[in-house]
Formats: sequence, structure tokens, C-alpha cells
Amino acid sequence: NAGVMQNPRHLVRRRGQEARLRCSPMKGHSHVYWYRQLPEEGLKFMVYLQKENIIDESGMPKERFSAEFPKEGPSILRIQQVVRGDSAAYFCASSRNSDTEAFFGQGTRLTVV
Amino acid sequence: TQLLEQSPQFLSIQEGENLTVYCNSSSVFSSLQWYRQEPGEGPVLLVTVVTGGEVKKLKRLTFQFGDARKDSSLHITAAQPGDTGLYLCAGEAGNMLTFGGGTRLMVKP
Repeated sequence: NAGVMQNPRHLVRRRGQEARLRCSPMKGHSHVYWYRQLPEEGLKFMVYLQKENIIDESGMPKERFSAEFPKEGPSILRIQQVVRGDSAAYFCASSRNSDTEAFFGQGTRLTVV
Repeated sequence: TQLLEQSPQFLSIQEGENLTVYCNSSSVFSSLQWYRQEPGEGPVLLVTVVTGGEVKKLKRLTFQFGDARKDSSLHITAAQPGDTGLYLCAGEAGNMLTFGGGTRLMVKP
């Protein structure tokens, strides 16, 4: 039973480029959460999605960031026109229901140069 | 904004010593979770506590949820080098987990 799969594990982008981070939830899980972790810090909530719906995006920056979880395929976190401050580890977690335990992927480490 | 304060931020101890990590908030959470994160990996869930005053044991680890469900502690008995890592607490409220800043533990042989 595969866990939460994130890819790529490492991503390097130049300032101004776009970054696309993918997350495939565990089998049977329809709830996906994205978190960002800056070096030496805890995780900060970004967005909570169910299939085809954004439930809570209160942690998402107002500009350049978007997320989707289509009916088919992985959840995508998209960052347009990246800046150096976007460099961080981005973690995805999935759960079966909104009140069940969430399991984390291994993260995507984004470096903006 | 709900905040979770973890203390201490860093802890370096010798093998065999005991330690306690604290997680405090002014907010009430429906549940509180403890995670351990290794370098380059995602957080791995250790335990979830739900009821005020609840105590859960996981081998040498003891987790306690405060009576008011605002705070929690993690106690490790006879720490081993394999316990080295980043320990994170996270409170559940609504749709999200609010994470503490983490406690980085190093256990020296």
C-alpha cells in the first residue's frame, strides 16, 4: 500500500520561472493538504482540497500560488514567477476523511536560484 | 491565529537520560498529534491524543494531553541515539493542523 507520493523530490528553478509540485494521495484518500516548511521551522498550512474542490485556502499567499486536485490525477501546487523567498520544503498530506489521521509525503524541496 | 509554542527548541543529551518536550497554546484543539521528522523526510505520525487528560505510551515515549486540551507533553525515558530527530506537535482545529516550531533532539552515545 503505497504512501503519499510527491514529485519531484528536488526542484531547482530560476527566478521568474514556474514551479509545479505534484502529490498523489494514498489509495482511498480523497482529502489533500499542502504545507510549507522553511529551514529550521515548523510546517505552515497552505491549502486543503478535496476532489475538484478547494475547501480552505487560508494559508495560501494571495498572489502567484494556486492549487488544484482534479477528478483524475494528482494534486498540483503551482507557483508562478518564483522568487528566492519561495525556496522551502513543500509537504503534501492526505487523509480518508476530514476527521481521520493524515499521512505525509516525503516532500519536494524547491530551490530558487 | 492559533499558535503552538514548543519548548525547548533544541536539546542535546547523553544516552540514557530522560527528557520532556512541551507543547503549549492558548487555544483549545479537538485533538493533538505528535510527529517525528528525519532530515530530508516528511513528518511521521507518532500518536494522536483526543481526550483531556489522556495519557498514551509508545515504548519509552509517554504522551499527555492537558485537561483543558490546550497543551501536551512528550516524555522520553532512557533516550537512545536512535531517538535523535525533530519532534513536532500539531493541534487540529477545523480543516487544518497547526504545527509548533519543533524540538530538535540530539542524543549522544
